[in-house]
Amino acid sequence: GAGVSQTPSNKVTEKGKYVELRCDPISGHTALYWYRQSLGQGPEFLIYFQGTGAADDSGLPNDRFFAVRPEGSVSTLKIQRTERGDSAVYLCASTQGGPGNTQYFGPGTRLTVL
Amino acid sequence: GQNIDQPTEMTATEGAIVQINCTYQTSGFNGLFWYQQHAGEAPTFLSYNVLDGLEEKGRFSSFLSRSKGYSYLLLKELQMKDSASYLCAVRSLPGNTPLVFGKGTRLSVIA
Repeated sequence: GAGVSQTPSNKVTEKGKYVELRCDPISGHTALYWYRQSLGQGPEFLIYFQGTGAADDSGLPNDRFFAVRPEGSVSTLKIQRTERGDSAVYLCASTQGGPGNTQYFGPGTRLTVL
Repeated sequence: GQNIDQPTEMTATEGAIVQINCTYQTSGFNGLFWYQQHAGEAPTFLSYNVLDGLEEKGRFSSFLSRSKGYSYLLLKELQMKDSASYLCAVRSLPGNTPLVFGKGTRLSVIA
């Protein structure tokens, strides 16, 4: 594909449920990032992967959040026991390096926890 | 701590020039980025500055002063389609490390 893709585009769930959000980075991009964006705010870092391993997960808000990237390409962000405060747009970005290591973003998944 | 400040909202007239300022205080500096984000869409990359000075790319230019912790994005010949949020972001660590974003400046272009 030409760009970063994310599925689903929208997810509505009930408080306490488990959700998985998927990110397909640009082919060949080695680094992958998850951010969370609330209304009227800039993206907030959650976790990033260099290859298959999580290089920095310091942005994950608590242990209900977990992410994997088992083959160094697709990544899944997993949220257990969702809470209303988890409602936000979850953005994924990837980069292959180069000048500035520019990150290219996907369209995001809008998560609504009722 | 990390702090990036930019105005919340700005309004400008079609055909005019607008400057969006960004100031930052971060633990380190390894580049500053500007992204454009239309409502409900992904942020799209506009510009990157790592050295002091002006980078020009068509109607958009971005300036950086590292000693002042300051950048601006300059948009010329404004068009209605430029109505969007503009995000300033800093990479504080070297390499492929994450970005720290400001809250964004919502620009409205009016006729």
